[in-house]
Amino acid sequence: AQKITQTQPGMFVQEKEAVTLDCTYDTSDQSYGLFWYKQPSSGEMIFLIYQGSYDEQNATEGRYSLNFQKARKSANLVISASQLGDSAMYFCAMREVGNQFYFGTGTSLTVIP
Amino acid sequence: GAGVSQSPSNKVTEKGKDVELRCDPISGHTALYWYRQSLGQGLEFLIYFQGNSAPDKSGLPSDRFSAERTGGSVSTLTIQRTQQEDSAVYLCASSFSGLARNNEQFFGPGTRLTVL
Repeated sequence: AQKITQTQPGMFVQEKEAVTLDCTYDTSDQSYGLFWYKQPSSGEMIFLIYQGSYDEQNATEGRYSLNFQKARKSANLVISASQLGDSAMYFCAMREVGNQFYFGTGTSLTVIP
Repeated sequence: GAGVSQSPSNKVTEKGKDVELRCDPISGHTALYWYRQSLGQGLEFLIYFQGNSAPDKSGLPSDRFSAERTGGSVSTLTIQRTQQEDSAVYLCASSFSGLARNNEQFFGPGTRLTVL
């Protein structure tokens, strides 16, 4: 079974609108961390946001928020007020206790002016 | 430097040659990871190190691939007898160990390998 599943290969959003990028995960660990990274066309990987499995509140970082639904094992990224510079690949990742990271296949987001 | 560095940034080689890719992690980071990313694709996990040992080598595609880490710092990924399908960007990342908040991976800029 895939550890991280991102079912949206490509997404489009109108500038200034909000968009949700889906991510589900699979683990039997009680302690784990969930991450989102952004990869623009330049290729660099940029850390966006983190959610710990024991965090009771959804993580927020500026325009990014993580909709964490533990029972459903989902960790969707919400980008509010989309900007043209948000166009990029977005990867969801999970870290288990053993330090192994698992990445999803990514979602390509295009922001339309 | 403050970030993860990788060298070379670009490598063009002929099929059948060996190549070495280097990664300098952030000082103090005990965990180090290698990934491969083909054009327009996701990250393919190759191997990770905890200190100098590699608890998980499951992602190495074949026995032509090997990696080592010395002194808990620099790591080298070696590809022997390169094939055209090895062409990709090889990304290195490092992090602190454990699940403390924000122990995220910091990525290097990658090495773009082209096998002719």
